[in-house]
Amino acid sequence: KAGVTQTPRYLIKTRGQQVTLSCSPISGHRSVSWYQQTPGQGLQFLFEYFSETQRNKGNFPGRFSGRQFSNSRSEMNVSTLELGDSALYLCASSLAVNGANVLTFGAGSRLTVL
Amino acid sequence: GESVGLHLPTLSVQEGDNSIINCAYSNSASDYFIWYKQESGKGPQFIIDIRSNMDKRQGQRVTVLLNKTVKHLSLQIAATQPGDSAVYFCAENPPGSARQLTFGSGTQLTVLP
Repeated sequence: KAGVTQTPRYLIKTRGQQVTLSCSPISGHRSVSWYQQTPGQGLQFLFEYFSETQRNKGNFPGRFSGRQFSNSRSEMNVSTLELGDSALYLCASSLAVNGANVLTFGAGSRLTVL
Repeated sequence: GESVGLHLPTLSVQEGDNSIINCAYSNSASDYFIWYKQESGKGPQFIIDIRSNMDKRQGQRVTVLLNKTVKHLSLQIAATQPGDSAVYFCAENPPGSARQLTFGSGTQLTVLP
């Protein structure tokens, strides 16, 4: 059974640009969550999507956005990139059935902003 | 300005010894807790979980203990192996937050030969 797939794995952008990251959840998983991981702040929740609807949003500026498609695949977008957006962006999927909350993470997309 | 990295607690153990990794969680109303392991270059990997109506749960070579009185979690790894070297994170799921997890800062476990 394929795990959570994130693309691209590595990317380099410059300040002011925008970036789109993609996540394919485990087949059958309907919930997709995004986290940002940095040495300074650790793992921080960005947002969660379930059935194409954003269910929760973390404390991040509006430059961070996401969406989920009918096949449960998700994308997140960061506009007007800042140096501080350099991070590992992790996607996690979950069955989201009967309160089960185990998240299965992908390997992440490593974003470097120059 | 320069960002200051989180100070990761470190734990070094001899191969074959037992490891105990501790974690303090923040929300007394959290009802679900998970331990994750993250190896270099990989995403966090689920190890074991526990609900707040339990105080102990065992898996394969791992045991999680929950002390709600002092908001403390611990992960015990029996017969630690070199492959156990990684950063270990505890995470809590406050009630009403669906699948939003709050992660601790992590502990770097190093297994010495």
